[in-house]
Amino acid sequence: GEDVEQSLFLSVREGDSSVINCTYTDSSSTYLYWYKQEPGAGLQLLTYIFSNMDMKQDQRLTVLLNKKDKHLSLRIADTQTGDSAIYFCAERSNDYKLSFGAGTTVTVRA
Amino acid sequence: NAGVTQTPKFQVLKTGQSMTLQCAQDMNHEYMSWYRQDPGMGLRLIHYSVGAGITDQGEVPNGYNVSRSTTEDFPLRLLSAAPSQTSVYFCASSPRLAADTQYFGPGTRLTVL
Repeated sequence: GEDVEQSLFLSVREGDSSVINCTYTDSSSTYLYWYKQEPGAGLQLLTYIFSNMDMKQDQRLTVLLNKKDKHLSLRIADTQTGDSAIYFCAERSNDYKLSFGAGTTVTVRA
Repeated sequence: NAGVTQTPKFQVLKTGQSMTLQCAQDMNHEYMSWYRQDPGMGLRLIHYSVGAGITDQGEVPNGYNVSRSTTEDFPLRLLSAAPSQTSVYFCASSPRLAADTQYFGPGTRLTVL
């Protein structure tokens, strides 16, 4: 199967920017996603990027895609305490299946 | 719309018991899927369906059965529960050809003793 890897933990000070990185292996990925999971809840789609794009910005969120290196990142500007959660990177192949990374636990400290 | 609903929220089983996790969506989505979430492993696809009457295996299908007799419902059956199936189970749905509308249910936390 496809491999999606991301670092497991990130600690950031409130007000700073957070950057969460992800690498994937499937070169046929059509879409790449970032999901947020708060404690005890399901996954919430934050943003996604089509594989022929380099960057997508949505308010405080910026997604960068380096297709050559198969590297995806999510930048959260002005990180707030409400941003504390687990963030999952996922890729979607041509047959619509999603492959997820293990998730990055983001802790925002005052 | 209620979105994607899952029942029960919590369940404890003994080894060897069988049960069905329910999943329903009221958005007329073609694509539905089941994932399990384990610590440090992200979500792994168990089974999926691209429409009523069509199901296929995902990454970790062993020990689970599914059926899709209607567009709305996609139940997951554990035939003979094992401790290795202790996990949080998520159901998801989407319109098949849409990239930006993936909806997840709230999850079912299953413990097998």
